[in-house]
Amino acid sequence: NAGVTQTPKFRILKIGQSMTLQCTQDMNHNYMYWYRQDPGMGLKLIYYSVGAGITDKGEVPNGYNVSRSTTEDFPLRLELAAPSQTSVYFCASSYAGTARLAYEQYFGPGTRLTVT
Amino acid sequence: KNEVEQSPQNLTAQEGEFITINCSYSVGISALHWLQQHPGGGIVSLFMLSSGKKKHGRLIATINIQEKHSSLHITASHPRDSAVYICAAFQYGGATNKLIFGTGTLLAVQP
Repeated sequence: NAGVTQTPKFRILKIGQSMTLQCTQDMNHNYMYWYRQDPGMGLKLIYYSVGAGITDKGEVPNGYNVSRSTTEDFPLRLELAAPSQTSVYFCASSYAGTARLAYEQYFGPGTRLTVT
Repeated sequence: KNEVEQSPQNLTAQEGEFITINCSYSVGISALHWLQQHPGGGIVSLFMLSSGKKKHGRLIATINIQEKHSSLHITASHPRDSAVYICAAFQYGGATNKLIFGTGTLLAVQP
């Protein structure tokens, strides 16, 4: 299994440009997540999905959009990139949990994005 | 105040030392994760625990649910243990399951 893969690894965008960060998992996980990690801050949840066709906002969704047409793929779209979106982006996946049972999350290698 | 607090933020140790990283949380959780992130690298799950203690090699994680506190211990530390260690509280929310992350502890083990 490749686990969780993300592309690209690095990207520089100009202000106002758009791009899509790709995320794919081959573990048949139903839950997928997008996080951003800023220096000195904990990871913040941008969007998550509990299954194909179902997505919801996390803590910091503004400026981003997602879709989940298949179990495997969960792309993150940046429209009109802004310097505040300079960050490292991580995709993760897991099985669903319950109140009594939690499953670990598997993380992709990250995408380092700079907006200038 | 963050819902998940870690201490210390930075830690420098000599090779061979016993290391403890602490994590306190203020929310109700189903489990607590300890994660490791190497410089420039991805994030790897080390432990997930909801009670008691778990051990993997030189790493030991403990949790006290009543006190809402967890610790990560590294015995006989080695320079390759140098990384950021992150604790994350798993919060069950019905249809949604979320991790709430601490800001991480940067560990440097010197030879």
